[in-house]
Amino acid sequence: ELKVEQNPLFLSMQEGKNYTIYCNYSTTSDRLYWYRQDPGKSLESLFVLLSNGAVKQEGRLMASLDTKARLSTLHITAAVLDLSATYFCAVPRGADGLTFGKGTHLIIQP
Amino acid sequence: DAMVIQNPRYQVTQFGKPVTLSCSQTLNHNVMYWYQQKSSQAPKLLFHYYDKDFNNEADTPDNFQSRRPNTSFCFLDIRSPGLGDAAMYLCATSRGVGLNIQYFGAGTRLSVL
Repeated sequence: ELKVEQNPLFLSMQEGKNYTIYCNYSTTSDRLYWYRQDPGKSLESLFVLLSNGAVKQEGRLMASLDTKARLSTLHITAAVLDLSATYFCAVPRGADGLTFGKGTHLIIQP
Repeated sequence: DAMVIQNPRYQVTQFGKPVTLSCSQTLNHNVMYWYQQKSSQAPKLLFHYYDKDFNNEADTPDNFQSRRPNTSFCFLDIRSPGLGDAAMYLCATSRGVGLNIQYFGAGTRLSVL
């Protein structure tokens, strides 16, 4: 059974600081997704990582994938207030949907 | 323009009263999914359709059913909602196997009184 673990589950950080969220998964997969969710809203796709060594950047967020280690990271650079949200990583099961991590609830404080 | 549309956005029902949630898509995707997301938890897959083929997750309660009358529409029926079924219900679509990017609708928040 595929398991996806994120850590930390809760993160409070100050504006301007850097931090990394980790996502480990238990079975072989060559792709991984990161989503953002604001309170009461649906999931917004952030990154699609399709191969070992993939690195994608959008603004202050950068995601990477190491399929051999079964590890993805989401790095936040110089955090700003509007990055506060819950971030989910998810691993696909073929056409059978996604298995999500529990999410990282991120709060950026002034 | 929204590509995966869920209606209603908010639904209130009574304990035991059947309720239907709707999802439509303009992407012409083969696969449609229903996820349940309870407060502060990860989305959990309930079932999906690959074209007309229905695929139920092993731990999805029998209380939850789904219909897909055509490519564009998919419905989630909750036959006898309990208090524990209060959640956000998310519909998603994907082209199929391969790239498998999933596009999510805005969700329907279900309250059970």
